[in-house]
Amino acid sequence: QKEVEQNSGPLSVPEGAIASLNCTYSDRGSQSFFWYRQYSGKSPELIMFIYSNGDKEDGRFTAQLNKASQYVSLLIRDSQPSDSATYLCAVNGGRGYNKLIFGAGTRLAVHP
Amino acid sequence: EPEVTQTPSHQVTQMGQEVILRCVPISNHLYFYWYRQILGQKVEFLVSFYNNEISEKSEIFDDQFSVERPDGSNFTLKIRSTKLEDSAMYFCASSEALTRSNEKLFFGSGTQLSVL
Repeated sequence: QKEVEQNSGPLSVPEGAIASLNCTYSDRGSQSFFWYRQYSGKSPELIMFIYSNGDKEDGRFTAQLNKASQYVSLLIRDSQPSDSATYLCAVNGGRGYNKLIFGAGTRLAVHP
Repeated sequence: EPEVTQTPSHQVTQMGQEVILRCVPISNHLYFYWYRQILGQKVEFLVSFYNNEISEKSEIFDDQFSVERPDGSNFTLKIRSTKLEDSAMYFCASSEALTRSNEKLFFGSGTQLSVL
């Protein structure tokens, strides 16, 4: 059974700080990794994807991947109250490219 | 910006009844998916669909479930005889056909199914 694990939180950070969200996965053969943001009662929204070891930056977001440790993280710089949401880590677990396995999500609360 | 649309937003049904959830994927996307999320739980994969056939399905997707692309725009999920435990938010998603791009799923706003 392929698993994706996240700390459920809540992770509470002050406005302007860096929020660090972590995720581990069980399938060493996984190749593609995604971070989705989900506001309460809404659908998941793709914010980052990463395929290679190392860092990938997009605006205030940085995804980090370490395949040897089976670990992927998301850093949010200059956190804003509007970043308060649940962040879902997802890993491609299908035979091809078409099945995402989600973690339970980490709830982030950014307080003014 | 193109988006995946789902109807209805809420569906209430009696146990044992059939329901059909409808989705219009993004127009140039060729991969389609259904996921569900029981309140407070993980987003779970149900089924993926490509080239008019199921490409992968989970153990949740048993004989009570079926999917169909009845025309060039709609993608439907049918539950033949609903159970109480089918109550969940059902998300439709779609992705492009290009390699690696087809892994980036875009989700609709969901249908909240309540089985009484």
